[in-house]
Amino acid sequence: DTAVSQTPKYLVTQMGNDKSIKCEQNLGHDTMYWYKQDSKKFLKIMFSYNNKELIINETVPNRFSPKSPDKAHLNLHINSLELGDSAVYFCASSQEGYRYGYTFGSGTRLTVV
Amino acid sequence: AQSVTQLGSHVSVSEGALVLLRCNYSSSVPPYLFWYVQYPNQGLQLLLKYTTGATLVKGINGFEAEFKKSETSFHLTKPSAHMSDAAEYFCAVSPNFGNEKLTFGTGTRLTIIP
Repeated sequence: DTAVSQTPKYLVTQMGNDKSIKCEQNLGHDTMYWYKQDSKKFLKIMFSYNNKELIINETVPNRFSPKSPDKAHLNLHINSLELGDSAVYFCASSQEGYRYGYTFGSGTRLTVV
Repeated sequence: AQSVTQLGSHVSVSEGALVLLRCNYSSSVPPYLFWYVQYPNQGLQLLLKYTTGATLVKGINGFEAEFKKSETSFHLTKPSAHMSDAAEYFCAVSPNFGNEKLTFGTGTRLTIIP
């Protein structure tokens, strides 16, 4: 069983479209995250939810909106996609992440054309 | 605030040689430190972590790292490189409390020469 699963794995879409990426974890963790990895492999946190409550909201365009229907799910919706949004988006989860680290999903490669 | 600097974006070693990947951190509070590995087209996998206690920590796949507070370093080593070690390696730091974010370094690509 996959611990942190993301769908879809690949997403190719045109500029201006709206798309969503879904994430689910079956580890019982109480905190979930979205990270963006750019073409140079740099990882930057976007959002973090703890028990459905937003606790980290980095400087991200408001076209990006996370939604956490329950503590096992954290989805990412992106409006009006731009070329610069092309990246790999990773979902992660943790229980006391500062102590034990995160468990990452396998990523969603988003390509905006 | 925390930050991580990984010296060398690319490191190449011969199979069987010592692997040394460098990581220096900056933190305003006592840090927790992590090394992650990313294989091509995969997510990140935790290699090892330092939280408290022994400063030499052992991880999976024969890797280990030593926390040196005086040098603000957490270098990753492996005595003998295998071809399967070729991957991207990330050092990360978090404060030792709360739900603060994990801050990653820019990564080091390790290439193994046959």
